[in-house]
Amino acid sequence: AQSVTQPDIHITVSEGASLELRCNYSYGATPYLFWYVQSPGQGLQLLLKYFSGDTLVQGIKGFEAEFKRSQSSFNLRKPSVHWSDAAEYFCAVVGTDSWGKLQFGAGTQVVVTP
Amino acid sequence: DSGVTQTPKHLITATGQRVTLRCSPRSGDLSVYWYQQSLDQGLQFLIQYYNGEERAKGNILERFSAQQFPDLHSELNLSSLELGDSALYFCASSVGIAGVTDTQYFGPGTRLTVL
Repeated sequence: AQSVTQPDIHITVSEGASLELRCNYSYGATPYLFWYVQSPGQGLQLLLKYFSGDTLVQGIKGFEAEFKRSQSSFNLRKPSVHWSDAAEYFCAVVGTDSWGKLQFGAGTQVVVTP
Repeated sequence: DSGVTQTPKHLITATGQRVTLRCSPRSGDLSVYWYQQSLDQGLQFLIQYYNGEERAKGNILERFSAQQFPDLHSELNLSSLELGDSALYFCASSVGIAGVTDTQYFGPGTRLTVL
């Protein structure tokens, strides 16, 4: 069955430290990959997306993600976290035949400490 | 602000009742998507419309229905409500029908509480 896994439910990071959020997928073929962020009381905002080409993708707010086909992973990174990065982060995939039906992981809650 | 608007922001109702959630897509977007976010199921795709026609269906209950009107706004109708329907309902929109490559822009959601 097709699935998206975010192994970390909750991550605590100090302000200024680096952040890496993990995402693994299980699909028949390489799907299209996305990272969204949900701040408290807000809708979801797209951080970045990967369709093809360069496996290192740059997004908004200083985030980047790396697609690794051999590991079926699409991990999100930020070199230096700001307090405003505290939010819930969702990895999502769309199958190539799925007409835009985003399938989301369970999400990772990020807490930023001073 | 994504440009997608949803009303109402909050809705509290009783079991067995029927409610309607409304979504206005971004200007120029023809596709509308509905998602449900609940504690036990996470974020789930419900249904997609493109220019008034249903294009894709996900895990949408038979008690739920949706439509997209000629002015492109969409409504999600939930009937015979159960406690388990309490959730945050998101609407998203995108430019075209090729949702695979189109970016979906999400509204702020409608929080439904069924008592």
